[in-house]
Amino acid sequence: AQSVTQPDIHITVSEGASLELRCNYSYGATPYLFWYVQSPGQGLQLLLKYFSGDTLVQGIKGFEAEFKRSQSSFNLRKPSVHWSDAAEYFCAVGPPSNDYKLSFGAGTTVTVRA
Amino acid sequence: DSGVTQTPKHLITATGQRVTLRCSPRSGDLSVYWYQQSLDQGLQFLIHYYNGEERAKGNILERFSAQQFPDLHSELNLSSLELGDSALYFCASSVGAGAGTDTQYFGPGTRLTVL
Repeated sequence: AQSVTQPDIHITVSEGASLELRCNYSYGATPYLFWYVQSPGQGLQLLLKYFSGDTLVQGIKGFEAEFKRSQSSFNLRKPSVHWSDAAEYFCAVGPPSNDYKLSFGAGTTVTVRA
Repeated sequence: DSGVTQTPKHLITATGQRVTLRCSPRSGDLSVYWYQQSLDQGLQFLIHYYNGEERAKGNILERFSAQQFPDLHSELNLSSLELGDSALYFCASSVGAGAGTDTQYFGPGTRLTVL
């Protein structure tokens, strides 16, 4: 069965500093990979996705993620965080087939300090 | 704003009761997905409908049921409610039938509190 692990439950970062959120997956083949963000009281917004091709994926709000097959990882990065980036971030995977179901990690809460 | 709407935003009810959550997908989307987000279970897939037909089931309890109507809106029915059903229920929609490349867009959720 596919699974997603986000090792960090909570990360605190200073405004302007860089951010990296870790995501590891377990799956027999290369799954489709997603990062979503959930701001307080809001639904989930898609930041970026990886299906195939270039392993460095650019997303919205200045985020990028890198797929590393050898490490079964899909880490999310942002070079300089803004206070508005404070939110919960979810990594998700789906099998490369029809009728797929997204499996989500437990999420990482990001706090941004001034 | 994803274009997916959910009503109501909040719902407070008592154990043993039945509630209906409603979801309208983005214009043009044929698939609707339901997810439950709780503190202990995290985000879990419940069920997927495509153009009125059930396509996939996840960790959905027998007390829960869903359907998608001809106008493509969907309803999630929760019955014999228990305290543990308190959660945030999300609806998502996508254009296609749920292939891996089909991006899901999420609504703002319905927060259910069972007292």
